[in-house]
Order: sequence, then structure tokens, then C-alpha cells
Amino acid sequence: DADVTQTPRNRITKTGKRIMLECSQTKGHDRMYWYRQDPGLGLRLIYYSFDVKDINKGEISDGYSVSRQAQAKFSLSLESAIPNQTALYFCATSSGGFVTDTQYFGPGTRLTVL
Amino acid sequence: AQKVTQAQTEISVVEKEDVTLDCVYETRDTTYYLFWYKQPPSGELVFLIRRNSFDEQNEISGRYSWNFQKSTSSFNFTITASQVVDSAVYFCALSENSNSGYALNFGKGTSLLVTP
Repeated sequence: DADVTQTPRNRITKTGKRIMLECSQTKGHDRMYWYRQDPGLGLRLIYYSFDVKDINKGEISDGYSVSRQAQAKFSLSLESAIPNQTALYFCATSSGGFVTDTQYFGPGTRLTVL
Repeated sequence: AQKVTQAQTEISVVEKEDVTLDCVYETRDTTYYLFWYKQPPSGELVFLIRRNSFDEQNEISGRYSWNFQKSTSSFNFTITASQVVDSAVYFCALSENSNSGYALNFGKGTSLLVTP
């Protein structure tokens, strides 16, 4: 079984709809991240969380919100989806401490907003 | 400002050729980490290597090797005797310890196509 899972894997929605992307991990990691990937732009950080009570905005958090329901679960919500949020979304996890540990990525969620 | 630059957008080689993917980074931190990830056509991100700023030893793993040079702020990746299965987008990423969240700053990626 995969260590980091994302649901759904693909989603098509309409402008204005609320949508939630979910991420679960079995790696026992404290840190979780949400990134989005746009063609030719690499990945950019949306939100990150160090534990259930610690949630922080990343580079491009506008239009998104997150919830860390448990150590193993980190959800990303689009309250009112717009077409320019069409992208590939990745969840990632890493262990804690005061150094940068390797981030392990989920398989991605391909979101299309019409 | 872009902290990681992968100047090569696309590279095409014939199988068995050697290919080097360039990565130049920018940071003022003395402690930082560099990564390479592979994204095959299936879309997932596969971790390849992590290197910290205090370890300039080059590394070899099978057909893959990495050349880290602090003097030129570069962390280049070479695939020897390339194979069709190496076709993917490769991302270089930087994490600075002064950066809240220890998040990764990604380059825009280099798309490598290996043809038979």
C-alpha cells in the first residue's frame, strides 16, 4: 500500500463549487504540505502543517483553505473554485526536527475547473 | 525571484547517450538542502537524492551521478547510458533552513526525452 494517498485522483468541477482534496499518510510524519503544479512552472507551496495545531500559509494560499484533522490527514479545500485553479495538486509529508528531511509525495490529484 | 533555475526546458537524446541536467540555485543560507525528483509520464514524483550544503562529495547511484559545487551554486545531475525509461520531467529543489516550514523551492523542471 502507498504511504501517501490522495483522493480523488481526478476531479472535474464547475466554477463556484466547493471542493475538498484529501491526503492521508501512513509514514508517521509530522509535517504535511500541499503544492500545486502548473505546466512549465514547477511546484508551488500552498499550505503546510507541522502538527494538528500548526497550520501555515505558503506562497500561493489565496483561494484555498486547509484542515489537519489528525496527524495522518491533511485536507485542502477550494471554497469557490475558479478556472485558474485547474492544476495538478500534490500532498507531501516529511519527518520533523530542525532540519529539512526528504519530502515524500502522494500520487497527485488532477483538478479541472470548468 | 526564482531560487532554483533549470535553464534546460527540454532535452532530447538517443538511447545510450550520456546527458547532464543543470541546476543552479540561489540562497544566502549557510545551511540548506538540495533535492532531485523525477516525474515520469504517469505523474507521480519520485525522490532521487537529498544533499546538504556541508557535503560536497559527488554521489553515484548506478547510472545516476550528481555533481554539487558550492563555488558555482550548482547541483547538476548526469544520467549515463540513458534509457527510454529515463524519459521524464526532472525537478531540482532547494530547501533553506531559514525558510519557514522547510518547504521546497522547485525549479521549473527539465523534460528529458530518450528515444530508441
